[in-house]
Amino acid sequence: TQLLEQSPQFLSIQEGENLTVYCNSSSVFSSLQWYRQEPGEGPVLLVTVVTGGEVKKLKRLTFQFGDARKDSSLHITAAQPGDTGLYLCAGAGQSVDAGNMLTFGGGTRLMVKP
Amino acid sequence: EAQVTQNPRYLITVTGKKLTVTCSQNMNHEYMSWYRQDPGLGLRQIYYSMNVEVTDKGDVPEGYKVSRKEKRNFPLILESPSPNQTSLYFCASSLWGGPTEQYFGPGTRLTVT
Repeated sequence: TQLLEQSPQFLSIQEGENLTVYCNSSSVFSSLQWYRQEPGEGPVLLVTVVTGGEVKKLKRLTFQFGDARKDSSLHITAAQPGDTGLYLCAGAGQSVDAGNMLTFGGGTRLMVKP
Repeated sequence: EAQVTQNPRYLITVTGKKLTVTCSQNMNHEYMSWYRQDPGLGLRQIYYSMNVEVTDKGDVPEGYKVSRKEKRNFPLILESPSPNQTSLYFCASSLWGGPTEQYFGPGTRLTVT
């Protein structure tokens, strides 16, 4: 069982649809990051959320950190084919011993069809 | 250009033959780490280093070694590779650990037969 569970694992939608990806844990994190990875490349940071209840927007992407800092969501409005990729959440600081580690979820593979 | 480089990008080897994957960053970052990526498991941290001569185990360190003799380099060593180490490996660096942005290399696809 992973510390961070992402759902869904796979998502195939039509251009223009909305979608939400979830990242859940039973652990509390000091911060949570979302990355996007394209084939043949390393992940690239989209956003970091730090405060419980925080909402950040990046164009059509809205990120939310749960009030208890155990979960997060990524909502994409009017998805575009260019949004296709693997979305990864990553949590930091879930314990004193793990303060310097980054724990990743299993990822959500999104395909947006034109 | 600020970047993390890894070599080689692709490697096919046989069980037991020692190999090293190099990683270098030019951003003067304190923190460097190695991850492996397997389908459905996301990225799992192998080892990380907070600074020169300081290394710590991540979630899956068994079968791997690392060293941090210089700030910019963080090689990953597989002394006796086995087929279950077939994976996609990423090196990453950041200003410091935890919540800071990780800059990832392009990945090394390793196959152990």
